[in-house]
Amino acid sequence: TQLLKQSPQFLSIQEGENLTVYCNSSSVFSSLQWYRQEPGEGPVLLVTVVTGGEVKKLKRLTFQFGDARKDSSLHITAAQPGDTGLYLCAGTPNFGNEKLTFGTGTRLTIIP
Amino acid sequence: EAGVAQSPRYKIIEKRQSVAFWCNPISGHATLYWYQQILGQGPKLLIQFQNNGVVDDSQLPKDRFSAERLKGVDSTLKIQPAKLEDSAVYLCASSLGGVGWTEAFFGQGTRLTVV
Repeated sequence: TQLLKQSPQFLSIQEGENLTVYCNSSSVFSSLQWYRQEPGEGPVLLVTVVTGGEVKKLKRLTFQFGDARKDSSLHITAAQPGDTGLYLCAGTPNFGNEKLTFGTGTRLTIIP
Repeated sequence: EAGVAQSPRYKIIEKRQSVAFWCNPISGHATLYWYQQILGQGPKLLIQFQNNGVVDDSQLPKDRFSAERLKGVDSTLKIQPAKLEDSAVYLCASSLGGVGWTEAFFGQGTRLTVV
């Protein structure tokens, strides 16, 4: 079983601050996704990264896939209360296999 | 476009009782997943279907859990008998499937409480 460990598990910061969430594994993934989940809802996809070293930006969110495709990070600039939620990374083991394994999750709270 | 539909939204049962959850994926999506999400944790894959065939059920507790996807469309997940530790949100997701990665779309989940 491929395990994805996220850190930190909980993060509470003031509005306007920057933060980084990490997703680490000892296994290689062909692709890695980041999802955000709000209470009472299912996870919603934010981004997919597939190339080692790839960096993608989505407004104030920056996602990076590690060179060895074993880890990823999510950086949020100038956090806003609307960013509050559970952030989940998820990976697929190899192309053609859509087994989606989720990380342990990071619960982010932005304090106005 | 209609999303992934799940029912019921909430269910409370006593231990040793049985329960069933239903999922209707997005039309045309070949891949269907069932996940178990315990409060505060990431979802754990229980079973993955490709059309009406099982692709992966390695983490499904087969002594008490069963799932089917007849006709390759909607799916049911059953627990019989339920245990206290089965209390969780059960999420269904679907994706187009095929070559290359496609986005997984999730339903709102069914929150199960076993007392």
